[in-house]
Amino acid sequence: DAEITQSPRHKITETGRQVTLACHQTWNHNNMFWYRQDLGHGLRLIHYSYGVQDTNKGEVSDGYSVSRSNTEDLPLTLESAASSQTSVYFCASSDPREKNIQYFGAGTRLSVL
Amino acid sequence: GQQVMQIPQYQHVQEGEDFTTYCNSSTTLSNIQWYKQRPGGHPVFLIQLVKSGEVKKQKRLTFQFGEAKKNSSLHITATQTTDVGTYFCAGPSGSARQLTFGSGTQLTVLP
Repeated sequence: DAEITQSPRHKITETGRQVTLACHQTWNHNNMFWYRQDLGHGLRLIHYSYGVQDTNKGEVSDGYSVSRSNTEDLPLTLESAASSQTSVYFCASSDPREKNIQYFGAGTRLSVL
Repeated sequence: GQQVMQIPQYQHVQEGEDFTTYCNSSTTLSNIQWYKQRPGGHPVFLIQLVKSGEVKKQKRLTFQFGEAKKNSSLHITATQTTDVGTYFCAGPSGSARQLTFGSGTQLTVLP
């Protein structure tokens, strides 16, 4: 069965360190998204990609970057982790052929100390 | 930019009572999607509404899309403990391949 997986599921890091969160989907979807979820803010879009070599900034992109070298993966990098980036991060994928319904990974809980 | 607002933010109901969450968009939507997130889980797609005035049912859940395609609602009849979670509406934005999510309504069902 097709799926979308995130790793790690939990991560603790220190302020200033670079952190990369992995997202891998086997749906063969062109669209991939990264969100962060914080209490009282719902799901906020960080970065998104509509295909290989395409990346775009979302509403809360400062301090984050992504790259898309293949269809399956969209890793999210925190260049220099800050305490304000402590959050739960969700990756999602979608495809126009499937009405742009988004399928979410299980999430990564990141703590920056 | 587009805003999608949801009310209420929290709702506590006794098991067996009904529950409704409302979603309002600042712009006309081509469609609206609803997702459910169980505690500790990830958002899972429930339904998509496309037509003006559309009503769809899934067992005890009734979804409506407003005539002006700017608002939507989710009504749960006779809530059960399995209904616990946060319900999000989401509308297309940007190139329509993105979604703007509402802030969600967190439902607690008291046994």
